[in-house]
Amino acid sequence: EVQLVESGGGLVKPGRSLRLSCTASGFTFGDYAMSWFRQAPGKGLEWVGFIRSKAYGGTTEYAASVKGRFTISRDDSKSIAYLQMNSLKTEDTAVYYCTREAYGDAFDIWGQGTMVTVSS
Amino acid sequence: SYVLTQPPSVSVAPGQTARITCGGNNIGSKSVHWYQQKPGQAPVLVVYDDSDRPSGIPERFSGSNSGNTATLTISRVEAGDEADYYCQVWDSSSDLLFGGGTKLTVL
Repeated sequence: EVQLVESGGGLVKPGRSLRLSCTASGFTFGDYAMSWFRQAPGKGLEWVGFIRSKAYGGTTEYAASVKGRFTISRDDSKSIAYLQMNSLKTEDTAVYYCTREAYGDAFDIWGQGTMVTVSS
Repeated sequence: SYVLTQPPSVSVAPGQTARITCGGNNIGSKSVHWYQQKPGQAPVLVVYDDSDRPSGIPERFSGSNSGNTATLTISRVEAGDEADYYCQVWDSSSDLLFGGGTKLTVL
């Protein structure tokens, strides 16, 4: 079964850091670009960033709202994507989803999400 | 920056056809993708590249895109189709973005 499982969410104080993990199974992880999205409580979907596959350089792109604070990386040997979040703000509070990019820039597999709450 | 506009809500009776629009400047020149999200669940891709369906998505879900409007059409609506629906595009000036979402209510 093709699956993505996020972990690492929790409660963190403003200004602190948190690292989320996304463990993939059921497909050849290294062949795909992986993206992170988030959804604040009661709000819509927001793209956070993505990392290309090694075949396309493994480079990253980020939304303006997180650029310079968040970093996406990947370990293809472990089939894991990471989202390192630094200098967290209260407005970063959201459910964070890991996704697989397919069909160009559409996302066909989503994890169940992990909640990040930034509060003092 | 590029903006995608969706109606906040659409209501339809069971068995009827629901049409959810996504407006954007010359959106017909972009590839539009649609996601369904039920309460407490992750989004599910239902249409990609304007009108293609991923494996496992019923034929009742279809899409079109022309001019300034993309449309997700759900035929023979069922109670289980009640959800939020989001359109998504990639724009070179705004990166990847979503519409604000449309809540589909099945009466």
